[in-house]
Amino acid sequence: GAVVSQHPSWVICKSGTSVKIECRSLDFQATTMFWYRQFPKQSLMLMATSNEGSKATYEQGVEKDKFLINHASLTLSTLTVTSAHPEDSSFYICSAEALGGQFFGPGTRLTVL
Amino acid sequence: GENVEQHPSTLSVQEGDSAVIKCTYSDSASNYFPWYKQELGKGPQLIIDIRSNVGEKKDQRIAVTLNKTAKHFSLHITETQPEDSAVYFCAASIEWYKLSFGAGTTVTVRA
Repeated sequence: GAVVSQHPSWVICKSGTSVKIECRSLDFQATTMFWYRQFPKQSLMLMATSNEGSKATYEQGVEKDKFLINHASLTLSTLTVTSAHPEDSSFYICSAEALGGQFFGPGTRLTVL
Repeated sequence: GENVEQHPSTLSVQEGDSAVIKCTYSDSASNYFPWYKQELGKGPQLIIDIRSNVGEKKDQRIAVTLNKTAKHFSLHITETQPEDSAVYFCAASIEWYKLSFGAGTTVTVRA
């Protein structure tokens, strides 16, 4: 139980385009999901908390207009990186609360050319 | 906010030996302390967690200890195997919400 999936697992896009990443809880419902960003050989940095049916809560320094989060159902949250630039290249990971803990998806590698 | 420090940053052990990773936290209100294992190119995997009403928890070769007074907690891996090689992260939070992560420890198990 408590399986979280992400799609796509990797994506390459041109600078200026938008990219959508999906996060799904496969065998449970998640009222709250989280989005993290991880640079190579670094720790996870929380970007935002995604709440089903309401607006996401962004961490300080994270641009909400650039990283759009939608949590339309209890099993799906999406992160859209708008007008992506090379500095947005990173490993994006989502997580969801289940069984009193946070379970992470496999991550999405974004490369912006 | 919560600040979690993790040591060492790298750890190399001989197969069969034990590995110990230590973390300290700053917020005395934190009461949930999970440990995650992350393999290259993958998401973190929850391997064990402990809550502040417990001082020690064990799951086969993995154990975690918590000292609330000193605000530190440790991960112990016994009888290490090559498949234990990975990056390990500690974290702290109030309940399971908004985890604050340590910087990570790269563990290498030498065959």
